[in-house]
Amino acid sequence: GEDVEQSLFLSVREGDSSVINCTYTDSSSTYLYWYKQEPGAGLQLLTYIFSNMDMKQDQRLTVLLNKKDKHLSLRIADTQTGDSAIYFCAEKDGSSNTGKLIFGQGTTLQVKP
Amino acid sequence: KAGVTQTPRYLIKTRGQQVTLSCSPISGHRSVSWYQQTPGQGLQFLFEYFSETQRNKGNFPGRFSGRQFSNSRSEMNVSTLELGDSALYLCASSLAGPGVGTQYFGPGTRLLVL
Repeated sequence: GEDVEQSLFLSVREGDSSVINCTYTDSSSTYLYWYKQEPGAGLQLLTYIFSNMDMKQDQRLTVLLNKKDKHLSLRIADTQTGDSAIYFCAEKDGSSNTGKLIFGQGTTLQVKP
Repeated sequence: KAGVTQTPRYLIKTRGQQVTLSCSPISGHRSVSWYQQTPGQGLQFLFEYFSETQRNKGNFPGRFSGRQFSNSRSEMNVSTLELGDSALYLCASSLAGPGVGTQYFGPGTRLLVL
């Protein structure tokens, strides 16, 4: 079945780059997403990538997609303490008639000053 | 443009009761999806609505139901509450029909069942 896997925890120093990794199983996924969740809040859409792209850059965020290995990564440049949160990778269900998202378990990013 | 709004933000209920949660999508958005978030199971898809019709349903018991109104607002209902229903319930809206468009999430309703 569909599954999305992420490492659970990442700790970096302020100013360093953070790389959060994700693997997925549904090769028919068309869109892959990164969401951010701060304590007590909902999910904030950070960025997304279409499956025919290899890379997408949006200010401090870079998404890399390796479709062959079904591997997605999110790089945050110049990580700040305000970036501390849980980051979720999600794939859109490969069926064309649904917007259902399948989420990973989330990666807790801790940024140390 | 206002984001997705959910009411109430917090709820405390007891086992056996029922609860109704409300979601107002971003203005102009026509699809609404619901997700349950728990520490143990993570984020799980509940259902998806478009044009007042349920288009897709996740693997939840029949105690979980929902509906969508003509103005795209949606409600979900959980009957005969169980302790395990304690969770953050998130609503998301997207502009067009199922499978089209990016989903934007609301702040969630945190439900505690005692």
